[in-house]
Amino acid sequence: DSGVTQTPKHLITATGQRVTLRCSPRSGDLSVYWYQQSLDQGLQFLIQYYNGEERAKGNILERFSAQQFPDLHSELNLSSLELGDSALYFCASGKAVQGTQYFGPGTRLTVL
Amino acid sequence: KNEVEQSPQNLTAQEGEFITINCSYSVGISALHWLQQHPGGGIVSLFMLSSGKKKHGRLIATINIQEKHSSLHITASHPRDSAVYICAVPSGGSNYKLTFGKGTLLTVNP
Repeated sequence: DSGVTQTPKHLITATGQRVTLRCSPRSGDLSVYWYQQSLDQGLQFLIQYYNGEERAKGNILERFSAQQFPDLHSELNLSSLELGDSALYFCASGKAVQGTQYFGPGTRLTVL
Repeated sequence: KNEVEQSPQNLTAQEGEFITINCSYSVGISALHWLQQHPGGGIVSLFMLSSGKKKHGRLIATINIQEKHSSLHITASHPRDSAVYICAVPSGGSNYKLTFGKGTLLTVNP
């Protein structure tokens, strides 16, 4: 158990809908990272927050947005969902801006 | 963008064998990550290294910065080592954005 929690574990929804994925980092960790893992693209970095501020952006679609709250938990919002958004979404946390990352168990999103 | 190549893609071994997984990248980096993904999907960070060698139990990771190459070794492999091993390097001019290799699927048979 990494100490990083993600909810929900599974999410099934329809095209066009909007969902919110939640991540609680390990106690004391200020960095939160979001990743997408799909069968065809593998693991891809989406976005990183450090102590509430966005630090780095990767291959995140405009339909997706994220934020980190004052209590350091983070949410990833996915809107206008498409079939291709079906994937595992991982959050990871770390103490510093860069360094070892501890991964959550992931949220499996299925878009029908 | 940093290109990451892992080899082999698939590896089958007998219990007790010495395993080597390789990772090459195209652009100089500050540190490289090795991750393990279990069949159930969970990801564990194994190593972050910027030079030389690190050891944790039966796992050893080495990196050659000049050659842009890293290896992950498993000594005395065990069926519970069966997993996908993924290397990742910083990319896009930022140390925060990781680019991942496609992974090496390791199966260790008893």
